[in-house]
Amino acid sequence: KNEVEQSPQNLTAQEGEFITINCSYSVGISALHWLQQHPGGGIVSLFMLSSGKKKHGRLIATINIQEKHSSLHITASHPRDSAVYICAVQGAQKLVFGQGTRLTINP
Amino acid sequence: DGGITQSPKYLFRKEGQNVTLSCEQNLNHDAMYWYRQDPGQGLRLIYYSQIVNDFQKGDIAEGYSVSREKKESFPLTVTSAQKNPTAFYLCASTPTQGAYGYTFGSGTRLTVV
Repeated sequence: KNEVEQSPQNLTAQEGEFITINCSYSVGISALHWLQQHPGGGIVSLFMLSSGKKKHGRLIATINIQEKHSSLHITASHPRDSAVYICAVQGAQKLVFGQGTRLTINP
Repeated sequence: DGGITQSPKYLFRKEGQNVTLSCEQNLNHDAMYWYRQDPGQGLRLIYYSQIVNDFQKGDIAEGYSVSREKKESFPLTVTSAQKNPTAFYLCASTPTQGAYGYTFGSGTRLTVV
């Protein structure tokens, strides 16, 4: 079993829909990261969380440390949100990455 | 603007040849990392460096080598000993090792034919 599991692996939705991507982990962490990878391959850091909730524009990230679970929400989704979203947990020495969720938003 | 520059974006090499991927940062970060990404898998750590002239193996170091002669630069060499080198390679940095605030490069896609 992977230390970081994301669901779903693939998600297709219509423009305007509310999107939720989930991340569960099995190891102790000091922080959790949500990353966005566009088709060109470069990765952008969206959020870093150690507790609670963060919001940036239409993106919201939450984490429940007791349940070892985090969610990334996108409100009023748009085709430009189409990308791979990656959850990564930060242990003592390194990041451990999930496999990513491929999100496609159709107009 | 500060950031990480990886070059080239696409690289093709013949089997059996060594190839070096470039990673340069102007963020004054101490720690730098190399990751490999394969389809359907999470990124995996190849090597990391906490400080100039020091580096450590990650989870999948076999067939790779690195150097850290300058703070700004952390080149990765994919050697002929790497059994399956075709992959997407990402470089990252943090202010110090294990610190928050990762910055990632745009990656190099290596294809070995």
